Amino acid sequence: EFQLVESGGGLVQPGGSLRLSCAASGFTFNSYDMHWVRQVTGKGLEWVSTIGSAGDTYYSDSVKGRFTISRENANNSLYLQMNSLRAEDTAVYYCVRGDCYGITCYTGVDALDIWGQGTIVTVSS
Amino acid sequence: IQLTQSPSFLSASVGDRVSITCRASQDINSFLAWYQQKPGTAPKLLIYAASTLQSGVPSRFSGSGSGTEFTLTISSLQPEDFATYYCQQLNNFPLTFGGGTKVEIK
Repeated sequence: EFQLVESGGGLVQPGGSLRLSCAASGFTFNSYDMHWVRQVTGKGLEWVSTIGSAGDTYYSDSVKGRFTISRENANNSLYLQMNSLRAEDTAVYYCVRGDCYGITCYTGVDALDIWGQGTIVTVSS
Repeated sequence: IQLTQSPSFLSASVGDRVSITCRASQDINSFLAWYQQKPGTAPKLLIYAASTLQSGVPSRFSGSGSGTEFTLTISSLQPEDFATYYCQQLNNFPLTFGGGTKVEIK
C-alpha cells in the first residue's frame, strides 16, 4: 500500500526554524517528484514546493529564500527545512507524491496522487 | 496562473446533478486536476488531465474542458460526495489551486 507519513510539525516562535520529514513506503520513491502543499485551517490549498526525481527544486514566491526542500532517496524520505518562520506559515503541511500519467508533463507531473495525513505547523509567540 | 472556481458554495440534494466550473487566467492545455476533500482529511485525487478518472473513483464523477475552462460534474450526488472540491493546474510553476467549492446537503 502506498503511504506517506509526515512528522516534525509543532509550535515555533516567529523567526524560528522547523524541519518537516516525510517517510514514503509502498512505491519506488526515487522515481517520483515529491511536493509539499499546505492548508490554513478553514482555507484552501496552497502549493509550497516541489523536488523532482532528478533533484530539481521549485518554490512558491511566499516561501522562496526561507524554505528548502530536499530528499534522501536511500531512506525514502522527503524534507522541508523552514527558516525565518512567520505567523502566515501556520498551516497543515501535506507531503504529496506527483506522477505524470501522460506522455509529456511540462512540470513533471499531471496529478498529485498520494497524500500524507498532514502535520500541523503553528508559528506563534 | 490564477484559477477561479464557481460557485464557491453549492447546496444540493442526493440524486442531483451538479457541476463546478474552473477557469484559468491563461491556457493550461489539459493539465488540470480535481480533488475532493472531506473535513479533517487530506485531499483525494479524482480526475487528472482534465477528464481522466483516477483509478477507484466512481463513474458518476466526470471532467471536461481544455484551455481555460473546465468542468467537474457529479451525475447523481451521493451522501458521501458532500465535501469541498478543488481544481489545480499543473501546466506551469507555480502550481496553483482554485479557491474551492463546498458542496452541502440541501
